[in-house]
Amino acid sequence: DAGVIQSPRHEVTEMGQEVTLRCKPISGHDYLFWYRQTMMRGLELLIYFNNNVPIDDSGMPEDRFSAKMPNASFSTLKIQPSEPRDSAVYFCASRGGQALGPQHFGDGTRLSIL
Amino acid sequence: QKEVEQDPGPLSVPEGAIVSLNCTYSNSAFQYFMWYRQYSRKGPELLMYTYSSGNKEDGRFTAQVDKSSKYISLFIRDSQPSDSATYLCAMSAGGSEKLVFGKGTKLTVNP
Repeated sequence: DAGVIQSPRHEVTEMGQEVTLRCKPISGHDYLFWYRQTMMRGLELLIYFNNNVPIDDSGMPEDRFSAKMPNASFSTLKIQPSEPRDSAVYFCASRGGQALGPQHFGDGTRLSIL
Repeated sequence: QKEVEQDPGPLSVPEGAIVSLNCTYSNSAFQYFMWYRQYSRKGPELLMYTYSSGNKEDGRFTAQVDKSSKYISLFIRDSQPSDSATYLCAMSAGGSEKLVFGKGTKLTVNP
């Protein structure tokens, strides 16, 4: 079974550039989550979707961040313009619709903004 | 006060030792408690899951929840070098999809 697939695994770009992170959830999963992990703040939920609809985006830090889920098998997290403080590891996770089901995480995108 | 507090360690133990990892929390609405294990450069993976107070055992791992003290623990018996990882506690309120994570404790088990 393929797990959650994220791309790219690493991204290094200059401040001000647009960054797009991609996620393919596990087939059949109804929920998709985007997290950010830093040493200072740990793992934080940014936004989550249910059946492709954004449910809670209260964790999105600023208007520079946006997320979309155009279909059940694909989601993007975009940062425009990027800033050095956005440097972090970004994780995508998905889970099935059963009650209390576990979240399955991808291996993350390590983002460095110079 | 942060919602979830976890000692970042690092914690270094010899192989075969019993390991105790802990988190405290402040939100009394939390009802679901989880422990995730994260290997270097990998995503977190669910290790243990408990609802409300009590103990749960799975092989060498035991999770304990004390809601009256707002304190949760993970015990690892007969620790192995393969247990070397960062352990994250996570919790959520009833009916909520939002997991709140501790910052993680880095554990090294030395052969």
